[in-house]
Amino acid sequence: DGGITQSPKYLFRKEGQNVTLSCEQNLNHDAMYWYRQDPGQGLRLIYYSQIVNDFQKGDIAEGYSVSREKKESFPLTVTSAQKNPTAFYLCASKDRRSNQPQHFGDGTRLSIL
Amino acid sequence: AQSVTQLGSHVSVSEGALVLLRCNYSSSVPPYLFWYVQYPNQGLQLLLKYTSAATLVKGINGFEAEFKKSETSFHLTKPSAHMSDAAEYFCAVSDINTGNQFYFGTGTSLTVIP
Repeated sequence: DGGITQSPKYLFRKEGQNVTLSCEQNLNHDAMYWYRQDPGQGLRLIYYSQIVNDFQKGDIAEGYSVSREKKESFPLTVTSAQKNPTAFYLCASKDRRSNQPQHFGDGTRLSIL
Repeated sequence: AQSVTQLGSHVSVSEGALVLLRCNYSSSVPPYLFWYVQYPNQGLQLLLKYTSAATLVKGINGFEAEFKKSETSFHLTKPSAHMSDAAEYFCAVSDINTGNQFYFGTGTSLTVIP
């Protein structure tokens, strides 16, 4: 079955450490996205990519970085510059046709030790 | 610019009662509208979508939504709530100009009372 795989499910970070969240899709989607979700809040866009080797900042890109070297993969690095990284991170992908929905992975929960 | 407003961050219904979750949108061009459901510690799952075909859209798990252009609304309904419907629900909008950019509402948490 096609889908989006996020790993790990749970991640712990020490202060001052960078961590990378993995997102892989086998849906042959062109566009991929990273969202942050805090308790009781909606989704906030961190970064998105509409094509390999290209990506754009979303609303809350500070303290995060991404790469898109392969169509299937869109890893997110949470850097030490992100002062409040504890959150639930969701990866999504989408077909290039404008009327298609985004498809989501099961998320990664990041906590600070 | 597009935006989505979900009225009521928390909704409680009795098991077997009607579920009504409200979503209003703003868009300068005909919108594409989506409802998603999220269970605890999981990703978002698509319930249904409106993409300019029939205005009454049926989705999974007995949910449906009606696109009303005059009211700029896309409310989600289910005739009879089930305990398994307890979850967070998100409305989202995009359009032909920004098709790859989605704008999400802040979500409505549905509680089903036995």
